[in-house]
Amino acid sequence: AQSVTQPDIHITVSEGASLELRCNYSYGATPYLFWYVQSPGQGLQLLLKYFSGDTLVQGIKGFEAEFKRSQSSFNLRKPSVHWSDAAEYFCAVGRPGGYQKVTFGIGTKLQVIP
Amino acid sequence: DTGVSQDPRHKITKRGQNVTFRCDPISEHNRLYWYRQTLGQGPEFLTYFQNEAQLEKSRLLSDRFSAERPKGSFSTLEIQRTEQGDSAMYLCASSLGQGSDEKLFFGSGTQLSVL
Repeated sequence: AQSVTQPDIHITVSEGASLELRCNYSYGATPYLFWYVQSPGQGLQLLLKYFSGDTLVQGIKGFEAEFKRSQSSFNLRKPSVHWSDAAEYFCAVGRPGGYQKVTFGIGTKLQVIP
Repeated sequence: DTGVSQDPRHKITKRGQNVTFRCDPISEHNRLYWYRQTLGQGPEFLTYFQNEAQLEKSRLLSDRFSAERPKGSFSTLEIQRTEQGDSAMYLCASSLGQGSDEKLFFGSGTQLSVL
């Protein structure tokens, strides 16, 4: 069975600092990997996804993620955090066949301080 | 494109009552998904529709839960005889495309509190 681990439940960073959110997955084959962001009162929004090809994926809002098969990781990064990035971030793993086969992690809540 | 709309935003009910939620997907999106998100957890898949056909249901979807998408447009999720454990955010999402082209758009959810 596939699974996702987000080891950090809460992270606090200063505005302008760099950010890395960790995600480890368990899946037997090459997975589909996703990062979503959920702001209060908002639906989940896709930041980026990896299906195949280049292991460094660029997303929206200046985010990127790198797929490392050897480490079973798909960490999310941003070089300079803005106050508006404060939200909850979900990593997810899936496989071909639709989003009913996607498993979400428990999320990492990001706090940005001035 | 007005986005995925869910109604109501919040629902408070007493244990044992029935509740119904509505989801209006993005027009022309053929797939519609329901997820449940409890506090401190990520979304968990409940069920999905391809047009009006309900193609898969999670084991999380007990027989007290029923979902419909009668004309392949909006969908309803009904919970009968609610229990306190049903308290959660119920998320709807719709998508178009297949395989790696499929992209999911989420609504803001319906927050259910069962007293």
